[in-house]
Amino acid sequence: DQQVKQNSPSLSVQEGRISILNCDYTNSMFDYFLWYKKYPAEGPTFLISISSIKDKNEDGRFTVFLNKSAKHLSLHIVPSQPGDSAVYFCAASERAAGNKLTFGGGTRVLVKP
Amino acid sequence: NAGVTQTPKFQVLKTGQSMTLQCAQDMNHEYMSWYRQDPGMGLRLIHYSVGAGITDQGEVPNGYNVSRSTTEDFPLRLLSAAPSQTSVYFCASSLEGRTYGYTFGSGTRLTVV
Repeated sequence: DQQVKQNSPSLSVQEGRISILNCDYTNSMFDYFLWYKKYPAEGPTFLISISSIKDKNEDGRFTVFLNKSAKHLSLHIVPSQPGDSAVYFCAASERAAGNKLTFGGGTRVLVKP
Repeated sequence: NAGVTQTPKFQVLKTGQSMTLQCAQDMNHEYMSWYRQDPGMGLRLIHYSVGAGITDQGEVPNGYNVSRSTTEDFPLRLLSAAPSQTSVYFCASSLEGRTYGYTFGSGTRLTVV
């Protein structure tokens, strides 16, 4: 059973608008969360992360929100740009498992000009 | 710096053949991992290593072997290829500590016929 789920396989948004990507997890021991971005024929690249002691982390146009009680995190991209068109993966880790990551299935984002 | 280098980029194998996917990093990272990416399933951890001489199994280790004789190299061996191993394989490396995101290679696309 997948411990990290991204229930929306795809998302289409107009340039300049907000993109909201969602991720749910089931393992209550997860305490560190990351988002990766992936272009075709390339490896994933690290985007932003958040520790469970926080509920929000910002980096430029990207903000990650964490709701521990709901076991839910989201990535907001504001404003969305055509270059943001990619597949986004959320990932989680737990302290006892060291640096091992458990990934969600990914959400494909298309930003329309 | 080259980052994480994977070879080959593409490979076609016949069922039962063996081969080694190469991975090298030049960032002096302690942690290295192998993931496979399958449609809708995100990236699943095959094997990982926390340092030279130390390896452990991930979520989907069957049919694969690894070794870590040096900090730089982390080859993945397919013992007897099966069609179920058709996938895109990513090698990744990271500094110790969970606050560092993994750096991924560009991937090896493997087809087993």
